[in-house]
Amino acid sequence: GEDVEQSLFLSVREGDSSVINCTYTDSSSTYLYWYKQEPGAGLQLLTYIFSNMDMKQDQRLTVLLNKKDKHLSLRIADTQTGDSAIYFCADGSSNTGKLIFGQGTTLQVKP
Amino acid sequence: DTEVTQTPKHLVMGMTNKKSLKCEQHMGHRAMYWYKQKAKKPPELMFVYSYEKLSINESVPSRFSPECPNSSLLNLHLHALQPEDSALYLCASSPLVGQREPGETQYFGPGTRLLVL
Repeated sequence: GEDVEQSLFLSVREGDSSVINCTYTDSSSTYLYWYKQEPGAGLQLLTYIFSNMDMKQDQRLTVLLNKKDKHLSLRIADTQTGDSAIYFCADGSSNTGKLIFGQGTTLQVKP
Repeated sequence: DTEVTQTPKHLVMGMTNKKSLKCEQHMGHRAMYWYKQKAKKPPELMFVYSYEKLSINESVPSRFSPECPNSSLLNLHLHALQPEDSALYLCASSPLVGQREPGETQYFGPGTRLLVL
């Protein structure tokens, strides 16, 4: 079945760029999503990318997609302490409405 | 407005209690979802409603009973839960038919933190 994998932890200094990586297995993926979850909160949709695109930029966020390698990344420019959270990559390829989530990457931002 | 609301925020219940979780959205979305999330884990899908009909039940125990009274409301009725059911319960909704975004894009509520004693 489909699988999505992420590294579990990333630590950066405030002001640096953060890059969170994700790999997926489903060749029929149509949309891939990034969600952010702060402690005790629900999931906040950050952005999504269509599988025919290579890159999408939205303010401090840049999503890169390498469809050949099934690799997705989220770059956060000028990372702030408020960016500390768990980031989930999700594959929305299933036409059943399911999202296949990665395990989540905990981003720690040090002042 | 991309808001999904959930009540209550917190719930403590005994194993013999009956309680309900409520979820509401006014975005005109036609799919609604219940997820269970344990600490530091991704959400696990429980149920999906499409056009107010149950379309997916991920083999959830019958002590969890979903209900979709109309296209804006989703309930989760709880009865005879176990301590291992303690978790964050998340509701989400998606348009199904995309206009400004893909139809499958899910928007999540803040969750209900459930503790079963």
